[in-house]
Amino acid sequence: GAVVSQHPSRVICKSGTSVKIECRSLDFQATTMFWYRQFPKQSLMLMATSNEGSKATYEQGVEKDKFLINHASLTLSTLTVTSAHPEDSSFYICSAREFTEAFFGQGTRLTVV
Amino acid sequence: AQTVTQSQPEMSVQEAETVTLSCTYDTSESNYYLFWYKQPPSRQMILVIRQEAYKQQNATENRFSVNFQKAAKSFSLKISDSQLGDTAMYFCAFMLYSGGGADGLTFGKGTHLIIQP
Repeated sequence: GAVVSQHPSRVICKSGTSVKIECRSLDFQATTMFWYRQFPKQSLMLMATSNEGSKATYEQGVEKDKFLINHASLTLSTLTVTSAHPEDSSFYICSAREFTEAFFGQGTRLTVV
Repeated sequence: AQTVTQSQPEMSVQEAETVTLSCTYDTSESNYYLFWYKQPPSRQMILVIRQEAYKQQNATENRFSVNFQKAAKSFSLKISDSQLGDTAMYFCAFMLYSGGGADGLTFGKGTHLIIQP
């Protein structure tokens, strides 16, 4: 199957700083990518849909000014957590669709101290 | 909006036994896909099996099979001859098929499956 690579896999940052997470589709072009958030022992919640060359679509309750998404090319989407706070600590997973199948990155564990 | 419900937070069976994980969903749409994903401790999401809603035949992948009841909006996963490596979180997921590929997945809360030696 197709491969989605997410980087970094783990990041620790200080409160108030920004963190960028990259998601790449390695062997296919993805006009749409998705960002999910997963709290410990919970399910994945869709945060936003990233569209190549246009603005992202955010799910209700997700602060678009805090979670900046850029999808500058057909193989790269980035999620920037701005002015991070401890409550932003979580596991973030990206996904890209190829036709009717979704492929997931390895996830990024963000810890804000 | 779509919803996915998994009513079994945790299940435990002996190795080699058969186990069935339940999933129900709610939607007013007719074109959609259903999936079961496995998430081991590494947290990498692994596709176990998928079902197209327009297909009446239940999907099968080796030891994994589904019982898809469209009218009842039920989508259970059966794991035969369970193995220790099957221990993981299992998520049922719904994806609307709109043709444009712009729809994300809606996940259930998950079932933690434990295979005992």
